Amino acid sequence: AQRVTQPEKLLSVFKGAPVELKCNYSYSGSPELFWYVQYSRQRLQLLLRHISRESIKGFTADLNKGETSFHLKKPFAQEEDSAMYYCALSGQYGNKLVFGAGTILRVKS
Amino acid sequence: GAGVSQSPRYKVAKRGQDVALRCDPISGHVSLFWYQQALGQGPEFLTYFQNEAQLDKSGLPSDRFFAERPEGSVSTLKIQRTQQEDSAVYLCASSPVLRTIYNEQFFGPGTRLTVL
Repeated sequence: AQRVTQPEKLLSVFKGAPVELKCNYSYSGSPELFWYVQYSRQRLQLLLRHISRESIKGFTADLNKGETSFHLKKPFAQEEDSAMYYCALSGQYGNKLVFGAGTILRVKS
Repeated sequence: GAGVSQSPRYKVAKRGQDVALRCDPISGHVSLFWYQQALGQGPEFLTYFQNEAQLDKSGLPSDRFFAERPEGSVSTLKIQRTQQEDSAVYLCASSPVLRTIYNEQFFGPGTRLTVL
């Protein structure tokens, strides 16, 4: 079965502090992993995907197949990072996305 | 350019009513997805179209849910005899070209359905 687990409903940090949003997955095969973000009053949008190995807005995520994790990290949080973050997977060359329940990130000044 | 649009943005229905939710994908996008997002949850897959062909409807929760995309562009999700458990945000997403590797899904703003 395909499943994505985000254990934290809410993560609250101070501006400038490091951030780590946790994501674990269950998939029998080689999935593609993504982070989607939804800012206040905006639509869901792609933040980054593991296959690209890129850093977007200072965020990075490393796929750890041994631990079946894809945690999202940023060394110094900014107030504009406050949003809802969803981890998602798709079967390799698959189509539908399987989402986690999401984590609200609040960055306090 | 214009993104994915959905209408109506909000819909209130009485239990037992039929509703129709519309999705206008980005022009030229081949793939179209519908997701259901209950309060406090992540989006859950409902169904997938490639052009006008419905290739996957494994996520539709019951036979009261029906989706179509007759001309390979606009799609409609219809829910018959709505129930309170159908209350959710319904998201539409579109994606360009055919799949060889993952193509980014572009999401609409969603339709919030409330069944009283």
